[in-house]
Amino acid sequence: EAQVTQNPRYLITVTGKKLTVTCSQNMNHEYMSWYRQDPGLGLRQIYYSMNVEVTDKGDVPEGYKVSRKEKRNFPLILESPSPNQTSLYFCASSFLGLANQKNTGELFFGEGSRLTVL
Amino acid sequence: LAKTTQPISMDSYEGQEVNITCSHNNIATNDYITWYQQFPSQGPRFIIQGYKTKVTNEVASLFIPADRKSSTLSLPRVSLSDTAVYYCLVGDGPNTDKLIFGTGTRLQVFP
Repeated sequence: EAQVTQNPRYLITVTGKKLTVTCSQNMNHEYMSWYRQDPGLGLRQIYYSMNVEVTDKGDVPEGYKVSRKEKRNFPLILESPSPNQTSLYFCASSFLGLANQKNTGELFFGEGSRLTVL
Repeated sequence: LAKTTQPISMDSYEGQEVNITCSHNNIATNDYITWYQQFPSQGPRFIIQGYKTKVTNEVASLFIPADRKSSTLSLPRVSLSDTAVYYCLVGDGPNTDKLIFGTGTRLQVFP
């Protein structure tokens, strides 16, 4: 079954304790991305990756790191979590468009990871 | 910097047609326009995508005027299960691969 898998789905942690949220896709997609969703603020992009070893900042990258060592995995790292990073996080992936076009935007999303930082 | 704007909420009744518009004034020449549906505590789900004019699939239609500065998602004959938040998605300008979601429209369908 084609899917994007995130882990953990739920996590409560404390300020400063490093954590990693994993994301894996089995569709051989080039593009992967992380979003956070907060009430009243919609979906905001944290980081994205156009392919292996290629990552770029989205709109809200502060406090986060990512890596793309393999095509299927795109972990989100919070080196020193703070309470303002309490949020619902979504990983997404997609194929890229034709060579002369950008990402087409047909994203496949994971089920989300609800993170609470105390 | 791209900015996409949608109405915050809309109400409808079962069986009616619902049209949700997204404004994306800074859309780049090669950007697609994509719409998603999201239920509480679930990831957004792809509905439809288009580049210009009109696109129709089994669940919705997407109307895009010639200037592409807006788009309208049309849901024919909505049912209670269409109650959800709907987002449009476009690129963040011609020189970036960032994608920007609209502000989202909460659709409530009543019996």
